[in-house]
Amino acid sequence: QLQLQESGPGLVKPSETLSLTCTVSGDSISSSSYYWGWIRQPPGKGLEWIGSIYYSGTTYYNPSLKSRVTISVDTSKNQFSLKLSSVTAADTAVYYCARQPKYSSSSDYWGQGTLVTVSS
Amino acid sequence: QPVLTQSSSASASLGSSVKLTCTLSSGHSRHIIAWHQQQPGKAPRYLMKLEGSGSYNKGSGLPDRFSGSSSGADRYLTISNLQSEDEADYYCETWDSNIAVFGGGTRLTVL
Repeated sequence: QLQLQESGPGLVKPSETLSLTCTVSGDSISSSSYYWGWIRQPPGKGLEWIGSIYYSGTTYYNPSLKSRVTISVDTSKNQFSLKLSSVTAADTAVYYCARQPKYSSSSDYWGQGTLVTVSS
Repeated sequence: QPVLTQSSSASASLGSSVKLTCTLSSGHSRHIIAWHQQQPGKAPRYLMKLEGSGSYNKGSGLPDRFSGSSSGADRYLTISNLQSEDEADYYCETWDSNIAVFGGGTRLTVL
């Protein structure tokens, strides 16, 4: 049974860097069949794709966030991570990690999400 | 990049059927999309992948009450025999040139 679990601080100060990790169990993050992505949802709003990574380290980012986002992968730990720099209150959201099969135009497994609040 | 347009809300009675629409922007009418359900306070759940031909592949364990169809740039999610647990937000998703896009979501109320 595939499971994805987000972890990281729930409170980040403005102008600092948000850091989250997604731990994958039940599947290998080194599979050539999938991307692994981050998606966020501000309170009361819709879903926004942040970016995705392939096991080789190839990354794709939302153009609107690209200058502030870094996604990395650690295949030895079966984890991938998100860093979002220079955060503001607008970055307050529930952050989800997800599995994204190649060529499928979909996110087929989601983590439970973690709320990150940006506040001093 | 494609834009996905969804009605903000929909409602239907318990036991009836509802058809939700996701419309792809001009030039992207052949794109595959995915439908997701988000019940209140929960993470999104993948429902199905839907092609422009109308062919769809459902996620594991999804009841037969859920089906997909397509017409031109429109992608549909039909839920039959509505249950109270179907009250949720429904989002469509697509990809283009390794960029993902989500629709704004439709809030479904079961009356």
